[in-house]
Amino acid sequence: DTEVTQTPKHLVMGMTNKKSLKCEQHMGHRAMYWYKQKAKKPPELMFVYSYEKLSINESVPSRFSPECPNSSLLNLHLHALQPEDSALYLCASSQGRSRGNSPLHFGNGTRLTVT
Amino acid sequence: TQLLEQSPQFLSIQEGENLTVYCNSSSVFSSLQWYRQEPGEGPVLLVTVVTGGEVKKLKRLTFQFGDARKDSSLHITAAQTGDTGLYLCAGAINTGGFKTIFGAGTRLFVKA
Repeated sequence: DTEVTQTPKHLVMGMTNKKSLKCEQHMGHRAMYWYKQKAKKPPELMFVYSYEKLSINESVPSRFSPECPNSSLLNLHLHALQPEDSALYLCASSQGRSRGNSPLHFGNGTRLTVT
Repeated sequence: TQLLEQSPQFLSIQEGENLTVYCNSSSVFSSLQWYRQEPGEGPVLLVTVVTGGEVKKLKRLTFQFGDARKDSSLHITAAQTGDTGLYLCAGAINTGGFKTIFGAGTRLFVKA
């Protein structure tokens, strides 16, 4: 079992829907990440939060809106998505971003399908 | 743009064979990590290498970090069917705080 929990595991949504993906960790990690993974591709970084502040946005379209309510929780709000946004969305955490050898701990992802 | 080139992208071998996966870049990394990902799951950390020239062993897996900290390799001895999966190298780069970028991955299939 992973120590990073993501819900839901699967999500199907229409292009006009609003939904949210949730991620939770209780390892005391201070950095949290959203990655997007398309089939047969590596994870691509979307957002990084450090100490609950957004520190990296990799030019992600505004239809994806991240939120970090506290150090244990990370949300990704989705609105007006396109079918090409269908992918596995992975949440990860690490001890922090000040050390270059701090590994990522991943959840098992949310498989998103946009119809 | 820092890029991690991973090769081969796909490898199908018989049980008992040895294999090596390579991860190369023109950039220097503070550390390189290797992850393994199985279908329907997130990547799981195998190892982190930090020091140039470092070699780490994990049972039948041997990881090496290049002297210049630009490349790494993963060698599997006597592969087993349970080694089947996606192997990802990942590098930490400092952009005013570290972020981790991934290579394209090597999809390994070990046949019985």
